[in-house]
Amino acid sequence: ETGVTQTPRHLVMGMTNKKSLKCEQHLGHNAMYWYKQSAKKPLELMFVYNFKEQTENNSVPSRFSPECPNSSHLFLHLHTLQPEDSALYLCASSQETVSGTQYFGPGTRLTVL
Amino acid sequence: QKEVEQDPGPLSVPEGAIVSLNCTYSNSAFQYFMWYRQYSRKGPELLMYTYSSGNKEDGRFTAQVDKSSKYISLFIRDSQPSDSATYLCAMRDPTQGGSEKLVFGKGMKLTVNP
Repeated sequence: ETGVTQTPRHLVMGMTNKKSLKCEQHLGHNAMYWYKQSAKKPLELMFVYNFKEQTENNSVPSRFSPECPNSSHLFLHLHTLQPEDSALYLCASSQETVSGTQYFGPGTRLTVL
Repeated sequence: QKEVEQDPGPLSVPEGAIVSLNCTYSNSAFQYFMWYRQYSRKGPELLMYTYSSGNKEDGRFTAQVDKSSKYISLFIRDSQPSDSATYLCAMRDPTQGGSEKLVFGKGMKLTVNP
């Protein structure tokens, strides 16, 4: 596996379900990110982890809970979501550089019924 | 005023056309500018990256930054159907220490018709 991988690629869940999204980066980077991408909106940064420590939480509702056990893995735990949470959830990683160039995974297409 | 403005399109051109994609921004502290390409059902992939003002060329793609006007452009020469994708601009203020925060435009959907 190379680059940034995400599983599952598609997820349909009810509002009472609990599920988790997984991201793994094989680039040796030390920063990882979760983004939400909705139609006709810019990418919304949700969380940033740098060296496993959360450095940013962009006012994300508590029904989204991130976990970063090491610098290669990132999870997003989901519970009691709303239909408006349906979107493409993207994971990205970067090396600690001034440019901040980020490399993205393919995303998880989430549908909340 | 939004930090980054990008016309979401869509833009449809014939094969072989020269395409110009643009973003404007308000934060004069932005120093790093990127263009990402996102195919349908895929994540964004880094296409071009430039620092400060000037031009950068890579094959059929040219990225241009005009800091005085707070305006960046991506030109695609001899456009191909395989260039059909959504193009997102992104930029970063390096004085924002700690987090590697990028600010993205909405993305412009481009279709190149054979």
